[in-house]
Amino acid sequence: DAGITQSPRYKITETGRQVTLMCHQTWSHSYMFWYRQDLGHGLRLIYYSAAADITDKGEVPDGYVVSRSKTENFPLTLESATRSQTSVYFCASSEDGPGPQHFGDGTRLSIL
Amino acid sequence: GESVGLHLPTLSVQEGDNSIINCAYSNSASDYFIWYKQESGKGPQFIIDIRSNMDKRQGQRVTVLLNKTVKHLSLQIAATQPGDSAVYFCAEKTGDKIIFGKGTRLHILP
Repeated sequence: DAGITQSPRYKITETGRQVTLMCHQTWSHSYMFWYRQDLGHGLRLIYYSAAADITDKGEVPDGYVVSRSKTENFPLTLESATRSQTSVYFCASSEDGPGPQHFGDGTRLSIL
Repeated sequence: GESVGLHLPTLSVQEGDNSIINCAYSNSASDYFIWYKQESGKGPQFIIDIRSNMDKRQGQRVTVLLNKTVKHLSLQIAATQPGDSAVYFCAEKTGDKIIFGKGTRLHILP
């Protein structure tokens, strides 16, 4: 089915480890986004991409790295995980950057 | 399910009644607004949007009202059903930035 899928759904890792969260969309949307969702906060933008090979920082980019070699994929890497990065991570896509975004079902990441 | 909604304001509504969820936005220059619904364990789902040149927009069972004078947005859900139980939050666009609100949990009473 067409849509946006994230993997894994759940991940537990240790501080200092590298972890990559995957995001794949089948709509060929130009824009893709990564957010984190924490208690007491609305969704906060980590990185976004307007097209393949174009990425930009969002509100909370520190400690994260993204790439977009193909339109359909937008992986998010935590190079050296810290406990403060424990969160639920959502990937989203949209045809038009400011327009409605379509979200995946999230990855719940716990860093011990 | 998600723990993100534990400290959110909650609106409890009788099944079949209308629900009104409110959102105060921060920037008078915001020109586009979106309402999302987030069910437990799932990602946000687009409900309806409105541009700042409009005061009202209707969808299927939902209506969004925009009051730019007091920077207030509301989502009205007609004939609330058990499947409407979720966290609802608004988002505002200013320039190329979109800011999401923290949300309101809608609880349906049988």
